[in-house]
Amino acid sequence: AQSVTQLDSQVPVFEEAPVELRCNYSSSVSVYLFWYVQYPNQGLQLLLKYLSGSTLVKGINGFEAEFNKSQTSFHLRKPSVHISDTAEYFCAVSVPPGRGGSNYKLTFGKGTLLTVNP
Amino acid sequence: DAGVTQSPTHLIKTRGQQVTLRCSPKSGHDTVSWYQQALGQGPQFIFQYYEEEERQRGNFPDRFSGHQFPNYSSELNVNALLLGDSALYLCASSSGLAGQETQYFGPGTRLLVL
Repeated sequence: AQSVTQLDSQVPVFEEAPVELRCNYSSSVSVYLFWYVQYPNQGLQLLLKYLSGSTLVKGINGFEAEFNKSQTSFHLRKPSVHISDTAEYFCAVSVPPGRGGSNYKLTFGKGTLLTVNP
Repeated sequence: DAGVTQSPTHLIKTRGQQVTLRCSPKSGHDTVSWYQQALGQGPQFIFQYYEEEERQRGNFPDRFSGHQFPNYSSELNVNALLLGDSALYLCASSSGLAGQETQYFGPGTRLLVL
């Protein structure tokens, strides 16, 4: 079974500061990795994903994440945040059918609430 | 291009009642997954439907059931509601062909059980 640990439940930062949201995962096989964002009272929006290839992945809204296989981490970063980035961020993994999983079921972490203050 | 839509947006029920939630997938998608998101938690996988059949199920009791229609839309049914079923129910769609690893989520249905 897979599991995801988001190391910080809340991250407060000031506007225009850099931010890193941490995500570690546990799996006995290779996984796909995702970051989703959830704005208040809304569903989940895909920020970025890692399937294979380059370990640095760029997403929407200026976010990027780096896959580190040895550390089993997939931390999300943004060099300069805006007030509008205030939201809950979820890290998730799935195991493709060919690697022992089935049907790309997503396993999520508990989320990190990013609060950007003026 | 319409994204994933869900109805209703909010619902209030009492314990013991039954509820049906609906989802229409993104255009071109044929696979629908349902997730339950309790307050302050990440989403938990309930089940997935493809070609009108349930092909994977998470750790949820049989009170949770679903259906997929020929047009790929889906319903989630919950019987004998418990207080603990209060949550945001999210539907996600994906393509059975290319890009099936990526799921796109709807806005959710917020269910309150009193």
